Amino acid sequence: DGGITQSPKYLFRKEGQNVTLSCEQNLNHDAMYWYRQDPGQGLRLIYYSQIVNDFQKGDIAEGYSVSREKKESFPLTVTSAQKNPTAFYLCASSTQTASYEQYFGPGTRLTVT
Amino acid sequence: EDKVVQSPLSLVVHEGDTVTLNCSYEVTNFRSLLWYKQEKKAPTFLFMLTSSGIEKKSGRLSSILDKKELFSILNITATQTGDSAIYLCAVATVQGAQKLVFGQGTRLTINP
Repeated sequence: DGGITQSPKYLFRKEGQNVTLSCEQNLNHDAMYWYRQDPGQGLRLIYYSQIVNDFQKGDIAEGYSVSREKKESFPLTVTSAQKNPTAFYLCASSTQTASYEQYFGPGTRLTVT
Repeated sequence: EDKVVQSPLSLVVHEGDTVTLNCSYEVTNFRSLLWYKQEKKAPTFLFMLTSSGIEKKSGRLSSILDKKELFSILNITATQTGDSAIYLCAVATVQGAQKLVFGQGTRLTINP
């Protein structure tokens, strides 16, 4: 089945630790995105990548880092510099065509205490 | 700064009612407006609207875009408990790359 997978579904970390969230897609999409969702705030863009080995900051990139070494994979690292890391993280992908639809993974809920 | 605003933020109705969800936007380089439904985890695509005045319809759901007044509505008729979800509106912009700017979402609850 084609789709986007994110792992793990739930992640718990202590404050001060870096943590990496996985995102993999087998849709052959060129573009991939990371969003953060907090209650009452919709989705906010953290980072996005249009092609392998290239990525750009979104609206709330501070405290996060990404890599895009393979077309299928776009891992997100939440660093200790991120002030409020507890949130629901969604990964998405899309083709680079006039269809602007993005396909979403199931998300990872990160809790930092 | 690009901005998408949805209203109401929360809505509770009875099964069988008709609901209208609103989405207004102020963005540069508008390309399309998209509606998503988020039940538990992953948002799922409902509609993409690019032209003004043309209604998109899928079963009991329909949506229309007004590019002059910069808003869209999503209508759901004869609501069912399975329609309970967060409905997200997003505007596609192109500034060197395709990006979606999301609204806050409307949490719709359908009571039996």
